[in-house]
Amino acid sequence: QQQVKQSPQSLIVQKGGISIINCAYENTAFDYFPWYQQFPGKGPALLIAIRPDVSEKKEGRFTISFNKSAKQFSLHIMDSQPGDSATYFCAAAGNAGNMLTFGGGTRLMVKP
Amino acid sequence: DGGITQSPKYLFRKEGQNVTLSCEQNLNHDAMYWYRQDPGQGLRLIYYSQIVNDFQKGDIAEGYSVSREKKESFPLTVTSAQKNPTAFYLCASSIVRTGAEAFFGQGTRLTVV
Repeated sequence: QQQVKQSPQSLIVQKGGISIINCAYENTAFDYFPWYQQFPGKGPALLIAIRPDVSEKKEGRFTISFNKSAKQFSLHIMDSQPGDSATYFCAAAGNAGNMLTFGGGTRLMVKP
Repeated sequence: DGGITQSPKYLFRKEGQNVTLSCEQNLNHDAMYWYRQDPGQGLRLIYYSQIVNDFQKGDIAEGYSVSREKKESFPLTVTSAQKNPTAFYLCASSIVRTGAEAFFGQGTRLTVV
């Protein structure tokens, strides 16, 4: 059973555009929602994370929007740059044994 | 510099062989994890350890074994029982025991020849 569903699988955006990646979760015990960025041949790096007590968190060009009632959260990359081309993973974790669980990933390509 | 070191970066295994992947961290994190990543796929949890001398199976533990004798080290052995071991293996650690705020190593790419 896939606990975190991510879409789209791939995304092409023009330079300067907005990239939007969506995730949905099922387990209401999750209380921590990070996004990871992974370049080819490298390990994932923590990009930004949110907890359910806020509906939005912004760090530079990256914003997480969180909808607790819908059990959905999304990553918005403003002013997308070619250097943002990577695979992005959403994830979720909670207490009491609810280990960090990943979505399937989105391969983002930003065209110059 | 604090971080997680995985070695080797590339590993080739013959059919029927056991191989051990190394993971060392100097972040003083209690919890450590092993994930498997297949091409175009997400990360799947193999094993995790929340404290020294204790570890738990993840979602895909069959054919793998681990040990946690030291806080800094969490080696993964891919045994001959693992039917399809070719994959990218990622080690992570976190101060939080559920994997929240996990930091990842650079991975080991294992290929069966």
